[in-house]
Amino acid sequence: KQEVTQIPAALSVPEGENLVLNCSFTDSAIYNLQWFRQDPGKGLTSLLLIQSSQREQTSGRLNASLDKSSGRSTLYIAASQPGDSATYLCAVRLNAGGTSYGKLTFGQGTILTVHP
Amino acid sequence: NAGVTQTPKFRILKIGQSMTLQCTQDMNHNYMYWYRQDPGMGLKLIYYSVGAGITDKGEVPNGYNVSRSTTEDFPLRLELAAPSQTSVYFCASSRTRTSGAASYEQYFGPGTRLTVT
Repeated sequence: KQEVTQIPAALSVPEGENLVLNCSFTDSAIYNLQWFRQDPGKGLTSLLLIQSSQREQTSGRLNASLDKSSGRSTLYIAASQPGDSATYLCAVRLNAGGTSYGKLTFGQGTILTVHP
Repeated sequence: NAGVTQTPKFRILKIGQSMTLQCTQDMNHNYMYWYRQDPGMGLKLIYYSVGAGITDKGEVPNGYNVSRSTTEDFPLRLELAAPSQTSVYFCASSRTRTSGAASYEQYFGPGTRLTVT
């Protein structure tokens, strides 16, 4: 059974810092991995999706890397801003021979607070 | 496009009552999903559907039922509500493969916060 773990559970940093959020998964046979942002009381917003054949994806100040063999992904946020404060969730899709139907297994999230 | 919409936003149920959580998407996605999120936890899959008339269980299906009569709608039914079903419920949808590799990237609704007392 796939298990996804995110470290740290919570992180508080001053504005302007570069930071790294970690995600690990137990089954390396993944189809892809997706990072989400969740604001309090809101739904999930997709940030980045990395296919299993890719090593990284970038969007603005965000960079996500994937090391499938070691079961790890990191989300790097450059020059953090108070508006980045949210919960960040990592989720993986298993590659089940076309029968996974896109089902996601989520980590528990990292709560990020960026202080002005 | 409105994307994925869910109603109601909030609901309080008494133990033993029933209700239906509504989910609609206007992106013509074939795949739809229901998740629940408990405090401090990630999301767990309840049920999913790969098209109208086709549904299957996820990780935590007990106490729930679903139906998919149209591409757009995927309601989640709670029968005999229990305190353990107090949670935030999210509906999501994703497109299937049109050409090349499918990403199954999921789009989420805003959630329904349910309390059972």
